Amino acid sequence: GAGVSQSPSNKVTEKGKDVELRCDPISGHTALYWYRQSLGQGLEFLIYFQGNSAPDKSGLPSDRFSAERTGGSVSTLTIQRTQQEDSAVYLCASSPGQGGEKLFFGSGTQLSVL
Amino acid sequence: KQEVTQIPAALSVPEGENLVLNCSFTDSAIYNLQWFRQDPGKGLTSLLLIQSSQREQTSGRLNASLDKSSGRSTLYIAASQPGDSATYLCAVPTGANSKLTFGKGITLSVRP
Repeated sequence: GAGVSQSPSNKVTEKGKDVELRCDPISGHTALYWYRQSLGQGLEFLIYFQGNSAPDKSGLPSDRFSAERTGGSVSTLTIQRTQQEDSAVYLCASSPGQGGEKLFFGSGTQLSVL
Repeated sequence: KQEVTQIPAALSVPEGENLVLNCSFTDSAIYNLQWFRQDPGKGLTSLLLIQSSQREQTSGRLNASLDKSSGRSTLYIAASQPGDSATYLCAVPTGANSKLTFGKGITLSVRP
């Protein structure tokens, strides 16, 4: 596609429910990143994919968070048993995967946990 | 641990003014540095990427400089316009996989 696409753009859920956030990277980009941006906070790295593998999961805040990537393309970030502190904008980015290159971000998913 | 600092958190200037946004980082062993722009409710747009071997990059009215040894970068915006109003973030990679550490950003308001 022309850019990184994320869906849904907004998600409101009740505490304790599971949610899935989707990211469709730029075609041909092998590197994919998930970040979280909370109100008043900076961007927080969550996980990095190279192809379908996730060599760096160090930013996932708890075992309620997981992510997968299939076909070297679409990625899904899943949050189980959501908590109010999970409320944030979840941003996905992709890059060609050569290293030291620009990242291209999607518009994000605004997650609100009530 | 790499830390990126951007001060001040917010800046308001009149239209037409030239301005400089500052970014500092604690670990000078970086491959590159990126400046991003974020509009309200939007994702980030990469403005400029400076490789560690470069001292500056220019794109239109924007010029970014990098001084690795002092752990500093500046983003210069010439002849600012109301459309430049946004949050500007700088980021440096941690490790070889381009995982970025971001500053908290500077929210710029350009008054007509």
